[in-house]
Amino acid sequence: EAGVAQSPRYKIIEKRQSVAFWCNPISGHATLYWYQQILGQGPKLLIQFQNNGVVDDSQLPKDRFSAERLKGVDSTLKIQPAKLEDSAVYLCASSRMRLAGTDTQYFGPGTRLTVL
Amino acid sequence: TQLLEQSPQFLSIQEGENLTVYCNSSSVFSSLQWYRQEPGEGPVLLVTVVTGGEVKKLKRLTFQFGDARKDSSLHITAAQPGDTGLYLCAGEGGSNYKLTFGKGTLLTVNP
Repeated sequence: EAGVAQSPRYKIIEKRQSVAFWCNPISGHATLYWYQQILGQGPKLLIQFQNNGVVDDSQLPKDRFSAERLKGVDSTLKIQPAKLEDSAVYLCASSRMRLAGTDTQYFGPGTRLTVL
Repeated sequence: TQLLEQSPQFLSIQEGENLTVYCNSSSVFSSLQWYRQEPGEGPVLLVTVVTGGEVKKLKRLTFQFGDARKDSSLHITAAQPGDTGLYLCAGEGGSNYKLTFGKGTLLTVNP
């Protein structure tokens, strides 16, 4: 079974530029998550999708971050415009179902973003 | 806001030594998960503990969930260089079973 795929793996941009990240979850997984992991910290949930609907986006800075999951499969996370403090690893994870009980999240390798 | 404190933040030991890392919170979680993350990779789930007082073993790793479901520990026996990595605990709670991660313990096991 293929894992969670993310691209690009690395991205360097200047502040105020825009950037987009792509995630392809494990086939059949209904739930998709985007996390931000700043150096020296644990991952922080930005947004959670159940199929193509948003379940939780309470920690997503909506003035500059947006995410979509068309057709309930792939997802993109966009930052526009980027700030220096957005430098981090952006992790995508997926799980089978998120309606009840514990469920294993499978993480992709992440995209390392550097904002100069 | 639920917070998880992990200690120590950094740990460097010699191969064969034992170690324990801790994960503490003032909040109660429905479950607690431990992950290991290697450089350039995403976290990989090691174990989930659900019941207060629960102990789970995974080869040389022993995980314990506190009786009050607020804290957990990870004990590694006879550490090996392959155990090197960032160990993250994550508490699950709330209506959406949201995961809150600690900052992690960066473990280095020297040959």
